[in-house]
Amino acid sequence: ETGVTQSPTHLIKTRGQQVTLRCSSQSGHNTVSWYQQALGQGPQFIFQYYREEENGRGNFPPRFSGLQFPNYSSELNVNALELDDSALYLCASSFFSRETDTQYFGPGTRLTVL
Amino acid sequence: RKEVEQDPGPFNVPEGATVAFNCTYSNSASQSFFWYRQDCRKEPKLLMSVYSSGNEDGRFTAQLNRASQYISLLIRDSKLSDSATYLCVVPLNQAGTALIFGKGTTLSVSS
Repeated sequence: ETGVTQSPTHLIKTRGQQVTLRCSSQSGHNTVSWYQQALGQGPQFIFQYYREEENGRGNFPPRFSGLQFPNYSSELNVNALELDDSALYLCASSFFSRETDTQYFGPGTRLTVL
Repeated sequence: RKEVEQDPGPFNVPEGATVAFNCTYSNSASQSFFWYRQDCRKEPKLLMSVYSSGNEDGRFTAQLNRASQYISLLIRDSKLSDSATYLCVVPLNQAGTALIFGKGTTLSVSS
C-alpha cells in the first residue's frame, strides 16, 4: 500500500450540488496533486498543492478548487456539479524537489452525479 | 498532436507471448517518462521510469526515442497477472509532480 488514503470511497450527488473529497498524504510528502479519471480515459491533472499553495493547474474551471493543510492533507471541492463530473478522483502525493520524484496514488473516490 | 498518445488496444494475447505498446508525446523538452499500470477500478501504480534511452526490469523493457518523441513498453513471456491497463505518462513539470497521462492501452492475457 502507498500510505495515501482518500475519503469517501464512493459518493452519489445530484446536479448543482457541491462535494468535498479528502486526501491524506504519505508521511514525509509535501506535495499533493489531484486527477480526474473518466471511464475509459487516462487520469487528467486538475491541480497541485505545495506548502498550502496551488502550484499548477490543469484545464479545469474555477468551480474545481482545493486546499492543502499544514499536515499536508488536502481537499478537492467541486461546486455546481455537472453530469460530466462523474469520474474517479485520484490524489497523489510526492516530495517536491528539483529532481523528478515518484508520485504515489491513493485508491480514489468514485463520484457519481445524477 | 495530442500531448500523450497511445495505441488504442485492446491487446488480447496468450500466456507467454511478447507484446509491445507504443506511445508518442508532443513536448520535445520532456526529460523523463513513465509507464504506469492500472488494474480495473484501482489506482495507477508506477511500473517503470525512463530517463535516458531505456530501462529494463525483468520481463519489462521500456525504450525511448527522443528524435521521434516515442516511447515503447515491451513485455516478454506474458503472464495472466499482466492483464491490466498500461498508461504512458509524461511529466508536466520538471519535478514530475504533475503528470500527463495517455488514455491507456488495455492488455488481456489468456491461458
